[in-house]
Amino acid sequence: QKEVEQDPGPLSVPEGAIVSLNCTYSNSAFQYFMWYRQYSRKGPELLMYTYSSGNKEDGRFTAQVDKSSKYISLFIRDSQPSDSATYLCAMITGANSKLTFGKGITLSVRP
Amino acid sequence: DAGVIQSPRHEVTEMGQEVTLRCKPISGHDYLFWYRQTMMRGLELLIYFNNNVPIDDSGMPEDRFSAKMPNASFSTLKIQPSEPRDSAVYFCASSPVEETQYFGPGTRLLVL
Repeated sequence: QKEVEQDPGPLSVPEGAIVSLNCTYSNSAFQYFMWYRQYSRKGPELLMYTYSSGNKEDGRFTAQVDKSSKYISLFIRDSQPSDSATYLCAMITGANSKLTFGKGITLSVRP
Repeated sequence: DAGVIQSPRHEVTEMGQEVTLRCKPISGHDYLFWYRQTMMRGLELLIYFNNNVPIDDSGMPEDRFSAKMPNASFSTLKIQPSEPRDSAVYFCASSPVEETQYFGPGTRLLVL
């Protein structure tokens, strides 16, 4: 079993839809959870960063962490064509500096 | 700030040649990371530095790969000799603290 599993996708939704992206993990030592967005032929950029269980909101984006279930989610409200990108979840234990990434899911938002 | 700078952006070389990838981290960031991204394996950490010192190189695939950070503003990743299976996008990232990493635009390497 991989440490971090992410739905492989791809995912295609109409503009305005609510998008739910999910990751599961097996290492209970993970403490910090991130979502990165990667546009085609670009480097990943940090989108959301959370620590411990709960929700964190930033504009149209909400990151949710459920440590008891080892499950994290990213919700995108009122999705826009500009949200079309690959989204990667990432997590870190804090005992060292090694980020573990999911393989990413490619999202396409149709106008 | 200009962000993390990587060069070259694209590299095409023949098997057996030496390849050197370069990275300039964001000023003031103490951590520097080298990653490799492929469709099959996703984003993999190769090595990371803290204050110019290599901390963990367990992700370096084999002895053909080496990385250096001679000062706080420059790092190199070298592959010698290169092989076709090394073809990938190589990213450099830097961070002020462990959790928040900022990635460069990447170097697309194709080994023929």
